[in-house]
Amino acid sequence: HSALTQPASVSGSPGQPITISCTGTSSDVGYYNYVSWYQHHPGKAPRLMIYDVTKRASGVSFRFSGTKSGNTASLTISGLQPEDEASYYCSSYTSSSTFLIFGGGTKLTVL
Amino acid sequence: QVQLQESGPGLVKPSETLSLTCTVSGGSISYYYWTWIRQPPGKGLEWIGYVSDSGDTNYSPSLKSRVTISLDTSKNQFSLNLRSVTAADTAVYFCARSPRYSNYYFDYWGQGTLVTVSS
Repeated sequence: HSALTQPASVSGSPGQPITISCTGTSSDVGYYNYVSWYQHHPGKAPRLMIYDVTKRASGVSFRFSGTKSGNTASLTISGLQPEDEASYYCSSYTSSSTFLIFGGGTKLTVL
Repeated sequence: QVQLQESGPGLVKPSETLSLTCTVSGGSISYYYWTWIRQPPGKGLEWIGYVSDSGDTNYSPSLKSRVTISLDTSKNQFSLNLRSVTAADTAVYFCARSPRYSNYYFDYWGQGTLVTVSS
């Protein structure tokens, strides 16, 4: 059981948009603008995609964007490409003593 | 280009100490936070703790009694020691870097190393 809730899997066809949700509580996602998103291809180092809810990391395509509404943050990929197929993890600062929490990860399949 | 590489034993016996090192290349260890994160098989990521470039540490409450993270600036490395391990500590362990002005996200990660706790 992960602290942040993500769908286990999402899929889409090349060129289509997809959105991955990340639901927390008013002690983390809902209160702080410290949500980040990571892309992870198996066997490789995870890659920072989005930080501080909406900011794209250096070198990240404009197709990736982050938003937040209430206790749920979202990562949107517009115009899916085959290389986007990977697992995506969200993370948030939390006011609890745990400091930082992650979602369980979402496996994105490009059909 | 900054690179992080985890190293250490892939197999540790129950009740012993898990020791991993993260070697940082392509950049200085100064002016950043250095973090360990793990992922048990089939589960999500778990934050273990960090050490700052000045040596300040912060650990997950669930692991605090067993974990130590330390820095070796002369070698551009930082390390994780997790004592009294059990099978529940079996996981892929990642090291990661956070900017000094914000330790709420990680801009560089290692590729991870699998550590299995088994006799």
